[in-house]
Amino acid sequence: QQQVKQSPQSLIVQKGGISIINCAYENTAFDYFPWYQQFPGKGPALLIAIRPDVSEKKEGRFTISFNKSAKQFSLHIMDSQPGDSATYFCAASFRQETSGSRLTFGEGTQLTVNP
Amino acid sequence: DTGVSQNPRHKITKRGQNVTFRCDPISEHNRLYWYRQTLGQGPEFLTYFQNEAQLEKSRLLSDRFSAERPKGSFSTLEIQRTEQGDSAMYLCASSFGLGGGYTFGSGTRLTVV
Repeated sequence: QQQVKQSPQSLIVQKGGISIINCAYENTAFDYFPWYQQFPGKGPALLIAIRPDVSEKKEGRFTISFNKSAKQFSLHIMDSQPGDSATYFCAASFRQETSGSRLTFGEGTQLTVNP
Repeated sequence: DTGVSQNPRHKITKRGQNVTFRCDPISEHNRLYWYRQTLGQGPEFLTYFQNEAQLEKSRLLSDRFSAERPKGSFSTLEIQRTEQGDSAMYLCASSFGLGGGYTFGSGTRLTVV
């Protein structure tokens, strides 16, 4: 059962451009929405996260926009750099003692930033 | 302590053999997770430990898979009678509390030939 859908599958942007990746979720019990960045041969690294009580969170060049009514959230990377080239995963979780904070991941977006 | 450590980084095994992976979480983290990631996909949850107790197992974790976390420290994931479909990256992650992001290790890439 796919509970988090991510698009696009791949994205190519020019250096300095804006990268936008979108995710949609189904389970309204989710209360934590992180984005992870993964480089080849490495594990995912937490980039930025948001909770449903806010509509936007910004950290440096990275911004999450959250639309609770539409059950959608997106990652915006401003001034994209070649070093941002990686695979990005959205995810969602809810807190539960018996399952911890198990994450449900999207399918991933392969971002390429051309110099 | 520089993060979550997983060993080995790579493992090639013949079909039918047993393999065991180790995960050393960040020392103060009491929660530990195992995920499996196949090529081009997002990680999928396998199992969760709070201290030494295994509280949840995914349906992905067949009877051939077993995980332990003795004394609530390091964890091991064993796969018995490996199959080609077990080829994947096995990721370990740890956290201290609930409801936040956790730190992943670099994973163990398993190839079953």
